[in-house]
Amino acid sequence: DQQVKQNSPSLSVQEGRISILNCDYTNSMFDYFLWYKKYPAEGPTFLISISSIKDKNEDGRFTVFLNKSAKHLSLHIVPSQPGDSAVYFCAASLFGNEKLTFGTGTRLTIIP
Amino acid sequence: KAGVTQTPRYLIKTRGQQVTLSCSPISGHRSVSWYQQTPGQGLQFLFEYFSETQRNKGNFPGRFSGRQFSNSRSEMNVSTLELGDSALYLCASSLDPGDNSPLHFGNGTRLTVT
Repeated sequence: DQQVKQNSPSLSVQEGRISILNCDYTNSMFDYFLWYKKYPAEGPTFLISISSIKDKNEDGRFTVFLNKSAKHLSLHIVPSQPGDSAVYFCAASLFGNEKLTFGTGTRLTIIP
Repeated sequence: KAGVTQTPRYLIKTRGQQVTLSCSPISGHRSVSWYQQTPGQGLQFLFEYFSETQRNKGNFPGRFSGRQFSNSRSEMNVSTLELGDSALYLCASSLDPGDNSPLHFGNGTRLTVT
């Protein structure tokens, strides 16, 4: 039972445009959500997080939106840069950083 | 500050053997978690340790075990290896469990079972 789903395995975006990565979850008890970026042969790198009491969090070019009623999470990257090409994972937990449930990832390719 | 260090980076084992993977967390981090990444499955939680005690465990068989030492370093062990255990095993550390500090991951150990 996949509680966190990333339905788009891949996404291609022109450099300078907005990249939007989506994530859906089924467990309404999830309290904390995170996005990680992963390059080949490296471990995931933390990007941005959001608590369930918020609906938006920004950090530079990265913004995460949370729609609790739709159980939907999205990551916006503006503007997209070639270095953003990577696999992006969303993750959720019931309590802080414990026992994260990850999606299967979306491979983002930025086209120069 | 050094990141999370995992050794070895690559490992090839035969079915039926056992394997031990090692993880050194970021200095000052007391919580260590382990995740398995396989193609198409994303990252799946194995277990979490804090103060040498297992706090949480994922849905993996008893062949998967781990421990944490007094210096917060952690090891995980897989006994009686199966072909399906081939995966990237990732260790992550954080300051304390259950807070909102993000997990910091190592580069993983790539285990291949033949």
